[in-house]
Amino acid sequence: AQSVSQHNHHVILSEAASLELGCNYSYGGTVNLFWYVQYPGQHLQLLLKYFSGDPLVKGIKGFEAEFIKSKFSFNLRKPSVQWSDTAEYFCAVTPRGNYGQNFVFGPGTRLSVLP
Amino acid sequence: GAGVSQSPSNKVTEKGKDVELRCDPISGHTALYWYRQSLGQGLEFLIYFQGNSAPDKSGLPSDRFSAERTGGSVSTLTIQRTQQEDSAVYLCASTSPRGGPSYEQYFGPGTRLTVT
Repeated sequence: AQSVSQHNHHVILSEAASLELGCNYSYGGTVNLFWYVQYPGQHLQLLLKYFSGDPLVKGIKGFEAEFIKSKFSFNLRKPSVQWSDTAEYFCAVTPRGNYGQNFVFGPGTRLSVLP
Repeated sequence: GAGVSQSPSNKVTEKGKDVELRCDPISGHTALYWYRQSLGQGLEFLIYFQGNSAPDKSGLPSDRFSAERTGGSVSTLTIQRTQQEDSAVYLCASTSPRGGPSYEQYFGPGTRLTVT
């Protein structure tokens, strides 16, 4: 079974700082990878996803993530955060071709951006 | 509507009572998931449906928890004899049809359950 770890429980940054949130997974086969975001009081929504092709994927609101297969990592980045990026971020993985089964989420990283 | 809906949005119940939580997935989505999110915790997988069948019930924490899905659409999560540790936000998600281009999960707003 796959598992997902996220390096940081809570990250605090000032506006305009650069962001990198770590995500590592364990699974022997090929995977689909996701980052979800949960803004305060709102429901989870997809930030970006990787299925295949270019390992650098771009998502909404200036976020991007890079899949490094050799490191089993899918870190989320943003060059300059805004106060509105304050939210909880979840990395998720599912084996490719599993027809929707076995979505596994990481424990989440809470990001607080100070104005 | 266009998204996943859940009802009720909030539920306060006394310890020992039974509760039913409802999820309406996006029309045409065949896969449906239930998760539990406790305060400060990540998402805990509960159960997965493909159509009306549940090939993966491994996440249900005890036999007090059960879920069903009828007509390949609406799902109900039932918690019997609720305990205080059942207090959490219960999230439902659905994914696009089997074999579709995306396994992105679309989440509902959740039901906040408080057991007093």
